[in-house]
Amino acid sequence: GQNIDQPTEMTATEGAIVQINCTYQTSGFNGLFWYQQHAGEAPTFLSYNVLDGLEEKGRFSSFLSRSKGYSYLLLKELQMKDSASYLCAVSVPGGYQKVTFGTGTKLQVIP
Amino acid sequence: KAGVTQTPRYLIKTRGQQVTLSCSPISGHRSVSWYQQTPGQGLQFLFEYFSETQRNKGNFPGRFSGRQFSNSRSEMNVSTLELGDSALYLCASSGTSGGNTGELFFGEGSRLTVL
Repeated sequence: GQNIDQPTEMTATEGAIVQINCTYQTSGFNGLFWYQQHAGEAPTFLSYNVLDGLEEKGRFSSFLSRSKGYSYLLLKELQMKDSASYLCAVSVPGGYQKVTFGTGTKLQVIP
Repeated sequence: KAGVTQTPRYLIKTRGQQVTLSCSPISGHRSVSWYQQTPGQGLQFLFEYFSETQRNKGNFPGRFSGRQFSNSRSEMNVSTLELGDSALYLCASSGTSGGNTGELFFGEGSRLTVL
């Protein structure tokens, strides 16, 4: 089976840095996604990691360690609009578009 | 480029009824996936279609079914509705045609309430 764990909720201060962790145990591994979902809206793509290491994209960075089954999403210079749920998702082989999602981390950014 | 369109956005049904939800993918995308989202379970994979063929199916009962048309539009159907089927149903399309996973583009979802 597939198991993806991430914290349920986090709170951080505007302007600060926050790291959202994700651990996974899956039957194989193709790649790991991070999505952002604002309340009442559709999830939107943030990043996709296939190889180990850090991928940086503006204020957002995502890290992957396949041997540890671990990833994190790093958000810098937090803004109030970053308040949202962040979903970690893993694509497994043989499943084409079968992507398994974690339950998401609800991030609240406070002034 | 228009995004993924789902209809209806909101609907209320009673137990025992059936419902059909529609999804129009981004033009040119041939893969359509369906997910159920609930507060406690997060996004649960229902099924994925590519070129009118179901390629993958999640762990949902047979009451949940779907299909894809030649224009890539997809529908999902839930029969004999139960209270636990109340959820946000999300459709996602992707432009990949082979075995490599690509970015999923989500629609706004259809929020189903079963009374």
